Amino acid sequence: DIQMTQSPSSLSASVGDRVTITCRASQSISSYLNWYQQKPGKAPKLLIYAASSLQSGVPSRFSGSGSGTDFTLTISSLQPEDFATYYCQQSYSTPHFGPGTKVDIK
Amino acid sequence: QVQLVESGGGLVKPGGSLRLSCAASGFTFSDYYMSWIRQAPGKGLEWVSYISSSSSYTNYADSVKGRFTISRDNAKNSLYLQMNSLRAEDTAVYYCASTQWLAAYNWFDPWGQGTLVTVSS
Repeated sequence: DIQMTQSPSSLSASVGDRVTITCRASQSISSYLNWYQQKPGKAPKLLIYAASSLQSGVPSRFSGSGSGTDFTLTISSLQPEDFATYYCQQSYSTPHFGPGTKVDIK
Repeated sequence: QVQLVESGGGLVKPGGSLRLSCAASGFTFSDYYMSWIRQAPGKGLEWVSYISSSSSYTNYADSVKGRFTISRDNAKNSLYLQMNSLRAEDTAVYYCASTQWLAAYNWFDPWGQGTLVTVSS
């Protein structure tokens, strides 16, 4: 199985900050990497698919990059509604999610 | 609009069984792979199972293989998860999700609101 790690596990940031979350796969997964946002008590929501494609309706401040084993999710200017937990997920083989990164208010 | 609504969760004793359902609307259900994904309280996401659009292909996480069975009824726009020999570690919110494909890429979207399964004596 391909395992996923994320860093940091949590971070504190202010509105307007640029935030970067890293996801690493235990072996190369090309661009088979998706990002989700989850708010407390809610279902996850797709943000980015195929490493860098923005899902329809998702604000353009979200972007994804990377290929192979190393990937990043960037929020260019953090907004109040972006405080949430973010998960990466590989779709190269049997689906696996990263452990999540919680973004909270500084 | 596209909607997935899970039901069937509840409290069950260890070793017991439960059947979850997911009702789909707003899209052509029979065209899409469907998946179950779970989240233990305060924990991360764990993929459980998926089924192809025509039910010809299924796959399971090792943690549930041999105990859980995924199925669907395209005439009823419904997805199911039969869970047997339940264990405390199966306690989680269970989400159904549609699996979208673009060439070889795939992702989970949209998701239902989830249904809570609690396994406890």
